[in-house]
Amino acid sequence: KNQVEQSPQSLIILEGKNCTLQCNYTVSPFSNLRWYKQDTGRGPVSLTIMTFSENTKSNGRYTATLDADTKQSSLHITASQLSDSASYICVVGNQFYFGTGTSLTVIP
Amino acid sequence: DTAVSQTPKYLVTQMGNDKSIKCEQNLGHDTMYWYKQDSKKFLKIMFSYNNKELIINETVPNRFSPKSPDKAHLNLHINSLELGDSAVYFCASSQPGGTGGSSSPLHFGNGTRLTVT
Repeated sequence: KNQVEQSPQSLIILEGKNCTLQCNYTVSPFSNLRWYKQDTGRGPVSLTIMTFSENTKSNGRYTATLDADTKQSSLHITASQLSDSASYICVVGNQFYFGTGTSLTVIP
Repeated sequence: DTAVSQTPKYLVTQMGNDKSIKCEQNLGHDTMYWYKQDSKKFLKIMFSYNNKELIINETVPNRFSPKSPDKAHLNLHINSLELGDSAVYFCASSQPGGTGGSSSPLHFGNGTRLTVT
């Protein structure tokens, strides 16, 4: 069964700290993996995309990694800012299998 | 300039009514979607549609029906609204990739919060 699981479900961190969000998937065949950010009251916005041959991709303070062998991805946020407070969603494949999301809250 | 726009942003209505949510994209994408986001923030596909094929999630009640007057629009009609239909509905679009290629990212609208009383 094609599934995408994310952890933790929610996370609270202090402004300026780093954090890492996890995504495990069983989608097959694998074509790509994307991380989306969803601000409150808005639609999700794509942050990064990685294909099978890529194992890391950066977008500013966001760095995504991919291990296609273990079917795991992570999203690392460096020097967090209050504006990073959002839900982060892992989406796998061209059929867009959605993860359960991680709610991140950055506090001053 | 909004790439995917949906209206209205908020919709409050009574049980049993029929309502529609409109969606338009100006990205030239071939495929459009409707998603339902529940209280736990999980996004669930309802429909995907291009000018050739409508794919319906079999769990979606037939009270929900997509209508596409043209490639840039995919409206969502809901008949006989029920309390459980209360949720945020997102329209999205993407451009499928070529053989073996990746499709473009999903581009989402900002959602329509439907409240059924």
